[in-house]
Amino acid sequence: ERKVEQNPLFLSMQEGKNYTIYCNYSTTSDRLYWYRQDPGKSLESLFVLLSNGAVKQEGRLMASLDTKARLSTLHITAAVHDLSATYFCAVDITNDMRFGAGTRLTVKP
Amino acid sequence: DTGVSQDPRHKITKRGQNVTFRCDPISEHNRLYWYRQTLGQGPEFLTYFQNEAQLEKSRLLSDRFSAERPKGSFSTLEIQRTEQGDSAMYLCASSLVGLAGGQSYNEQFFGPGTRLTVL
Repeated sequence: ERKVEQNPLFLSMQEGKNYTIYCNYSTTSDRLYWYRQDPGKSLESLFVLLSNGAVKQEGRLMASLDTKARLSTLHITAAVHDLSATYFCAVDITNDMRFGAGTRLTVKP
Repeated sequence: DTGVSQDPRHKITKRGQNVTFRCDPISEHNRLYWYRQTLGQGPEFLTYFQNEAQLEKSRLLSDRFSAERPKGSFSTLEIQRTEQGDSAMYLCASSLVGLAGGQSYNEQFFGPGTRLTVL
């Protein structure tokens, strides 16, 4: 079965702290995407990772991909309240995009 | 606004009724996807079109579900004889396959979704 697993599923962090969200997947793929979803809203594309060792950064978020380990990470640096949302990773498996269950992040003052 | 749009945004129906949702993709995108999302879960792939051709359907898509994309523009998703288990957010996404460093990629852009409640 083709699985995409994220952990943690829930994350509560203090403003200013750092943390990493993990995305493990079970099938061979070198294309991985990260999305953000705010409550009641749709998904917003954050990062497109296309090869082993790919690293992308935008503001306080940095995503990386290790295709050999079938692992992607989303690192949060010095969290702020505006980052509170649900974050999904998705693996592109020949036109069939498989999403993880999401990590619900809450950043507290 | 040139993003993906969906209509209606909310639909409440009684069990056994038929419902139809519409998705208008980003105009230059040739691929269109339908997903279903339930509370606390990630989107589940239902089906996708390349232009007007429906190229893949998930095993999740029962015979009560049908999707069309006439002329490769907007798409409709119809659910016949709705059941309470069909209650979910139905998301549409569109994409234009790109190339970066010789690698193709398929960044999908999502619409706001249609929230279906079956009573």
